[in-house]
Amino acid sequence: AQTVTQSQPEMSVQEAETVTLSCTYDTSESDYYLFWYKQPPSRQMILVIRQEAYKQQNATENRFSVNFQKAAKSFSLKISDSQLGDAAMYFCAYRSLVNTGTASKLTFGTGTRLQVTL
Amino acid sequence: AAGVIQSPRHLIKEKRETATLKCYPIPRHDTVYWYQQGPGQDPQFLISFYEKMQSDKGSIPDRFSAQQFSDYHSELNMSSLELGDSALYFCASSLEASEAFFGQGTRLTVV
Repeated sequence: AQTVTQSQPEMSVQEAETVTLSCTYDTSESDYYLFWYKQPPSRQMILVIRQEAYKQQNATENRFSVNFQKAAKSFSLKISDSQLGDAAMYFCAYRSLVNTGTASKLTFGTGTRLQVTL
Repeated sequence: AAGVIQSPRHLIKEKRETATLKCYPIPRHDTVYWYQQGPGQDPQFLISFYEKMQSDKGSIPDRFSAQQFSDYHSELNMSSLELGDSALYFCASSLEASEAFFGQGTRLTVV
């Protein structure tokens, strides 16, 4: 079974600064997706960014980028120019691509709560 | 763009009662997932459906059941409710193996 580990329960960043959230995972599979989801106080789960394991290029979405290290099984999220609206719980998630065409569940880490200060 | 719709948004039930949560996935999405998120916890996978067939099962109690109907909406039925069932229940949908999009959740409170 796959596991996802987020070792930082809480992080804090000043507005306009950069912060990196860590995520490691354990799998024996070679094909999979990795995701970062954001959960603000409203508790809506919002997709931030995704990375396909077969792609060497790190995904980027505006101020959000990842550092994907497949061999090390590491998938960190970098938030640049942090804004007050970035304050939320951030979950790293893994999804197997084995048996594509069937529903492969998301496995979540325990989350990192990000505070953004003035 | 259409999103995943869940109803009701809030639900209060007494112990031993039954609750039914509904989920309407994004049109043309072929997969529906149900997750349970307790306070301060990460979402825990309950069950999923692919093309109206159950495809995976997680830590779903025997008191819970779910199904996906011909119009692709899904329902999570919860019986003999316990205080510990109080949580936020998410439904998510996806197309093939792409990213899953989540509904706003149903907050269930058992009193």
